Amino acid sequence: AQSVTQLDSQVPVFEEAPVELRCNYSSSVSVYLFWYVQYPNQGLQLLLKYLSGSTLVKGINGFEAEFNKSQTSFHLRKPSVHISDTAEYFCAVSGGQGGKLIFGQGTELSVKP
Amino acid sequence: ETGVTQTPRHLVMGMTNKKSLKCEQHLGHNAMYWYKQSAKKPLELMFVYSLEERVENNSVPSRFSPECPNSSHLFLHLHTLQPEDSALYLCASSQEVWVGTGDYEQYFGPGTRLTVT
Repeated sequence: AQSVTQLDSQVPVFEEAPVELRCNYSSSVSVYLFWYVQYPNQGLQLLLKYLSGSTLVKGINGFEAEFNKSQTSFHLRKPSVHISDTAEYFCAVSGGQGGKLIFGQGTELSVKP
Repeated sequence: ETGVTQTPRHLVMGMTNKKSLKCEQHLGHNAMYWYKQSAKKPLELMFVYSLEERVENNSVPSRFSPECPNSSHLFLHLHTLQPEDSALYLCASSQEVWVGTGDYEQYFGPGTRLTVT
């Protein structure tokens, strides 16, 4: 069975600072990994995904994530955040041979001026 | 309309009421999902439909009853709910469900904020 742990429930950061949102997963099979973002009063939107190939994945809005198989991590990074990045971010995993998405509990990113 | 739409966006209901949530996807997808999002908890998958057939029911109480009349529409019928059922209910769709290879991306609607009084 897969599981996902997002290590920080809240991350406050100042505008234009770098940010890293941490995600660890556990799985006995190969996995697909995702980051979703949820802006206030909206549904979830896909930021980026790792299916195979290069371990560094680039997504929308300047975000990127790195798949690290040995550390079972898929941390999300952005070199310089904007106020508009304030949102909740969800890491998710699914099994490589088919399987439902398992979500982490979310990280609330708060960008302050 | 594009993407995944949900109506109503907000719903307040008493414990003895019956109401329905509606979801429509305009993406030509074959799979649709209901999720429950409660504060400070991971998203909980409730139901999965593939080509109008229910393929997963995650031990959801019978007071929640899904219906998928065609691959574009999904309903969640609610009756005799409890206050702990108050949450954001999200609908999602994807091209296929549980495909062994390929893209698992799910597209989400904006959700229905449900309050049970």
